[in-house]
Amino acid sequence: DIRMTQSPASLSASLGETVNIECLASEDIYSDLAWYQQKPGKSPQLLIYNANSLQNGVPSRFSGSGSGTQYSLKISRLQVEDIGSYYCQQAHSNPYTFGAGTKLELK
Amino acid sequence: EVQLVESGGGLVQPGRSLKLSCAASGFTFSDYAMAWVRQAPKKGLEWVATIIYDGSSTYYRDSVKGRFTISRDNAKSTLYLQMDSLRSEDTATYYCARRELGGPPYFDYWGQGVMVTVSS
Repeated sequence: DIRMTQSPASLSASLGETVNIECLASEDIYSDLAWYQQKPGKSPQLLIYNANSLQNGVPSRFSGSGSGTQYSLKISRLQVEDIGSYYCQQAHSNPYTFGAGTKLELK
Repeated sequence: EVQLVESGGGLVQPGRSLKLSCAASGFTFSDYAMAWVRQAPKKGLEWVATIIYDGSSTYYRDSVKGRFTISRDNAKSTLYLQMDSLRSEDTATYYCARRELGGPPYFDYWGQGVMVTVSS
């Protein structure tokens, strides 16, 4: 199985700040990577797919980048509604594995 | 508006069975592959199973293979997960998710989730 190592596990940031979340795959996943946001008590929502494509309706302050085994999610100008957990998911090979998550809190 | 509504969760003893349902609306259900993804309490997400649009192929994670069965009824726009020989480690919130049309298996819509607790 492909292991997805996500960092940091938790992150505290101020409103308006830019944050970065990293995801490292145990092998090349050829940009078959998605990012999801899960707000407290809610179901996950797709933010980014194919490593850098923004899902319809997602604010442009979210962006994704990376290739090979290294990927990142950037949130610019942090808003209060961005608080929650973020997960990466590789979609390259079965079983489709997720990172352990990053919990984003307000400082 | 796409809606996925799960039902059928609850408390069940180890070794017993439970069947989850997911009622879909707002899109042509028979066009899409569907999946179940679970999340143990305070833990991350874990893909469980996928079924393609017409039900002719199914895929499972190793830990549920032979115990869980994913199926669908396209006439009723409903997805199912039959869970047999349940274990304590199956305790989780189970989400029904729609796989994006074409391309790699990303999940673009999720239900609200249903809790399954396996305990004596």
